Amino acid sequence: QVQLVQSGAEVKKAGSSVKVSCKTSGGTFGSYTFSWVRQAPGQGLEWMGRIIPMSDTTNYAQRFQGRVTITADDSTSTVYMQLRSLKPEDTAVYYCARVFSTWGSFYFEHWGRGTEVTVSS
Amino acid sequence: SYVLTQPPSVSVAPGQTATITCGRDNIGSNNVHWYQQRPGQAPVLIVYDDSDRPSGIPERFSGSNSENRATLTVSRVEAGDEADYYCQVWDINSDHPVFGGGTKLTVL
Repeated sequence: QVQLVQSGAEVKKAGSSVKVSCKTSGGTFGSYTFSWVRQAPGQGLEWMGRIIPMSDTTNYAQRFQGRVTITADDSTSTVYMQLRSLKPEDTAVYYCARVFSTWGSFYFEHWGRGTEVTVSS
Repeated sequence: SYVLTQPPSVSVAPGQTATITCGRDNIGSNNVHWYQQRPGQAPVLIVYDDSDRPSGIPERFSGSNSENRATLTVSRVEAGDEADYYCQVWDINSDHPVFGGGTKLTVL
């Protein structure tokens, strides 16, 4: 059974950083792609970036370039997302998701329960 | 930028059929995936590759995709189907996934 267990809620000040973890189980960690998707209050889903642990390859959405870093720890099957220079508009629920990716198809097969991040000014 | 257009809301009576669309020029050339998000919960994949269902998803959920519109159909709608529904594709030009704006399904 696939599980993605995320770290708990965070409250941060504007200008600081947050690091959210996602511990995975079920399947071979290194053979998958993992993504982070966020959802601001009352808003839709927004993809932030992805990592392929086997190759440590990362790709980020342009709007987060330079502010987000996604990493993976093979020894604990955990994926991390760090967002820097936080702004109040970064207040959102952050989801990690395991991806099914092949030529012509990329979708979010399994999701964590989400981590609420609140940024105050 | 790549935009997928969904109606903000769809309403349907229990037992009826709900149709949720996802539009973009030539979307029929993409694989479209659909997610259900119940209030306060994480999204759940309900349709992938236009019309396939993951294990455990009822047959009442079906998808299609042609030309400029992809469609999610929910047959025999139940109260528990009340949720937000998102379509998603892979944008080959930007090399990243894109979500539609979401559709709130209300069961009357």
